[in-house]
Amino acid sequence: GIQVEQSPPDLILQEGANSTLRCNFSDSVNNLQWFHQNPWGQLINLFYIPSGTKQNGRLSATTVATERYSLLYISSSQTTDSGVYFCAVVTTDSWGKLQFGAGTQVVVTP
Amino acid sequence: GAVVSQHPSRVICKSGTSVKIECRSLDFQATTMFWYRQFPKQSLMLMATSNEGSKATYEQGVEKDKFLINHASLTLSTLTVTSAHPEDSSFYICSAIRVRSNQPQHFGDGTRLSIL
Repeated sequence: GIQVEQSPPDLILQEGANSTLRCNFSDSVNNLQWFHQNPWGQLINLFYIPSGTKQNGRLSATTVATERYSLLYISSSQTTDSGVYFCAVVTTDSWGKLQFGAGTQVVVTP
Repeated sequence: GAVVSQHPSRVICKSGTSVKIECRSLDFQATTMFWYRQFPKQSLMLMATSNEGSKATYEQGVEKDKFLINHASLTLSTLTVTSAHPEDSSFYICSAIRVRSNQPQHFGDGTRLSIL
């Protein structure tokens, strides 16, 4: 099956800093989503981005499908950005099943 | 607001009890729902795919007799953990999609199951 690798595994940021999270995948995908899992376990949809670039406030994401990677940018980080960020993909033959990466644990300190 | 509702959010019960978790799509018809399990400090692992009106499809290694899935309507899927044991303690989370294609998945808030 498809491999989804996220880096870095852990990230400690000071409030106000910018950061980039990366997601590499080993096969063609027709869906890619970025999620933020908060300390209570809730999975928040950040982006549905099988290709191209999207922005939502301080967050933006870019997926280069031909090169099999996606980037999530966090600008001017806030303590509420802490949590685990997951990348998940769907391949053409997986019937909608999301394959999750291992996640990036982000801690934003005041 | 939430488009997928999951209930209950937390369950604590004795070993041997069966526990039912509900997953509802609130403002759309979900032909397909997915059930995931997440152990502490780990990623989400797909357990099964639930299709309305047909039998669920289980991932390799998931016991279908232990984890019963019913998708009786286009807005409701249930997961029943039968005769739960401490090793079944985990975070269970469902998702739903409108059609079986490339739509973004919407997740419930999860159920934290603790078996004593």
